[in-house]
Amino acid sequence: GNSVTQMEGPVTLSEEAFLTINCTYTATGYPSLFWYVQYPGEGLQLLLKATKADDKGSNKGFEATYRKETTSFHLEKGSVQVSDSAVYFCALSEGDSSYKLIFGSGTRLLVRP
Amino acid sequence: GAGVSQSPSNKVTEKGKDVELRCDPISGHTALYWYRQSLGQGLEFLIYFQGNSAPDKSGLPSDRFSAERTGGSVSTLTIQRTQQEDSAVYLCASSLLNLGGNTIYFGEGSWLTVV
Repeated sequence: GNSVTQMEGPVTLSEEAFLTINCTYTATGYPSLFWYVQYPGEGLQLLLKATKADDKGSNKGFEATYRKETTSFHLEKGSVQVSDSAVYFCALSEGDSSYKLIFGSGTRLLVRP
Repeated sequence: GAGVSQSPSNKVTEKGKDVELRCDPISGHTALYWYRQSLGQGLEFLIYFQGNSAPDKSGLPSDRFSAERTGGSVSTLTIQRTQQEDSAVYLCASSLLNLGGNTIYFGEGSWLTVV
């Protein structure tokens, strides 16, 4: 079945460091891919998405590129801030006809000043 | 309201009791979802409502779980005879139509603790 695997956390970085959170997926068909973020005390928010191969999603300085050949959707940011501390979830849906999001287990990011 | 509203935000209940969790989706959103987030695990799909169509209940973990959506708006998730393994954050979400191309918006969740 479809699944999402993301790197275990916590990931601890100093402010202004480069961030990569790995995400790989297994899916039939042509899934859409998402990154969601959960800040402390808040609900899940969509961070970025990509709906087809080679698309790049970007938001708030974060980027992720849909790589069909490696079935990956790694999240990157060039310079993290303390305010980026949160839990990040990679997810997929099976294209336009699917209403189920399949989530990874989440990666906690802690950015220290 | 502006976002998906859930209540209660926190609930502590004794094992064996029934609980009801409420979700008020964003106005105009026809699709409504319930997910469960257990400690240290990812989000688990529970149930999906779309307009007047029959809901997809395939993610409900047992027959102690049920959900309804009245008038195409507010939804209630009911857990009967709660067990300790039911302790989790229950997340409600809504979107326009189904997921394709439309952003899904999550509420802040209802944290359930069964003691």
